[in-house]
Amino acid sequence: KAGVTQTPRYLIKTRGQQVTLSCSPISGHRSVSWYQQTPGQGLQFLFEYFSETQRNKGNFPGRFSGRQFSNSRSEMNVSTLELGDSALYLCASSLADLASGANVLTFGAGSRLTVL
Amino acid sequence: AQKVTQAQTEISVVEKEDVTLDCVYETRDTTYYLFWYKQPPSGELVFLIRRNSFDEQNEISGRYSWNFQKSTSSFNFTITASQVVDSAVYFCALSPITGGGNKLTFGTGTQLKVEL
Repeated sequence: KAGVTQTPRYLIKTRGQQVTLSCSPISGHRSVSWYQQTPGQGLQFLFEYFSETQRNKGNFPGRFSGRQFSNSRSEMNVSTLELGDSALYLCASSLADLASGANVLTFGAGSRLTVL
Repeated sequence: AQKVTQAQTEISVVEKEDVTLDCVYETRDTTYYLFWYKQPPSGELVFLIRRNSFDEQNEISGRYSWNFQKSTSSFNFTITASQVVDSAVYFCALSPITGGGNKLTFGTGTQLKVEL
């Protein structure tokens, strides 16, 4: 059974550019969550998508956005990149249903973004 | 607001020693989940355990054991007879059972180094 796949694994951008990260969840998992990990702020929740709808959102500026497709694959986009956006972006998937709370998240290996 | 505190930033032990990682949490929710995740150098967060606030029974799984004490808002994790392969960053996390979706609040992590 394939795990959570994130692409690209590494990327370098310059300030002002935008970036799109992709996440393919485990087959059958309908919920996809995104987290940002930095040395200073640690692991912070960005947003969660379920059935193509954003179900939860963390405390990040509007430059951070995401979407989910009908096959549950998800993308997140960061526009007008800043130096502080350099981080490991982790995607996680879970079975999750509308009525339940937190399910066990399976994480991908992450996309490491460096902003110069 | 939810908060998870892992006061131990880094712990170094010699192989075969027992080690306990501390986790203290704060939440206003009456029902919640607690988690432990492990992050090896590869970067992928690996799920270890999930407990709900209804169940204060301690749990043992092989060399791992967890001590959940609601009275002190703690969920500590013990590795018995540590091995070099246990070296990783360990995260404690918290989420409400209802309404929180997959929005986990993570602690800052404890870096465990197991040396020969």
